[in-house]
Amino acid sequence: EIVLTQSPDTLSLSPGERATLSCRASQSVSSRFLAWYQQRPGQAPRLLIYGASSRATGIPDRFSGSGSGTDFTLTISRLEPEDFAVYYCQQYGSSPQRTFGQGTKVEIK
Amino acid sequence: QLQLQESGPGLVKPSETLSLTCTVSGGSISSSSYYWVWIRQPPGRGLEWIGNIYYSGSTYHNPSLKSRVTISVDTPKNQFSLKMSYVTAADTAVYFCARGATDYYDSNGYYWGWLDPWGQGALVTVSS
Repeated sequence: EIVLTQSPDTLSLSPGERATLSCRASQSVSSRFLAWYQQRPGQAPRLLIYGASSRATGIPDRFSGSGSGTDFTLTISRLEPEDFAVYYCQQYGSSPQRTFGQGTKVEIK
Repeated sequence: QLQLQESGPGLVKPSETLSLTCTVSGGSISSSSYYWVWIRQPPGRGLEWIGNIYYSGSTYHNPSLKSRVTISVDTPKNQFSLKMSYVTAADTAVYFCARGATDYYDSNGYYWGWLDPWGQGALVTVSS
């Protein structure tokens, strides 16, 4: 059974800085089937990235995804105030196809 | 633009049945290109997949919840619903509905994919 582990649990950064979030799978995952979501406080998750690197409609290009195999990365090139949130990765190509990571919180330093 | 909205009681007594409905607007729930999902988030915690339903009416449930969960669809009303029986305080959570893209077909005959969009969520508290 695949487990997704995100690191770090919390990332403390200042606006304008670069954020690098990691999602590691316990077994190899097809990059086609890896997604990232953003959840702001009190809101529902929002799709950012699917297929490991494709931005969803309306997502700014400061968000980018990369990776393959067991290691995937979400990068926010320059943090805007609205980017301070919790980020989740999800895989759906291997059993069980309902797996989320535990989340990484990006907080203001 | 497709929108989803959860509705239902915000307070349920222990051992009773939780019932929620997700109303889909701006698109048809009958499309074969998508499936429909329930996910929950206990306070301060991460996301837990409850189950999903396909346009054919077939369903998938998280094995850890399967015996207590029923997911159904009402196509004329463009709604799908969740019922969870014998609830306890551990079922207190924000419940989200979402649309899934049919991107991957597994060996058990289920489609899976990214989730977009999501409903705003409904807080359900289990308490006497």
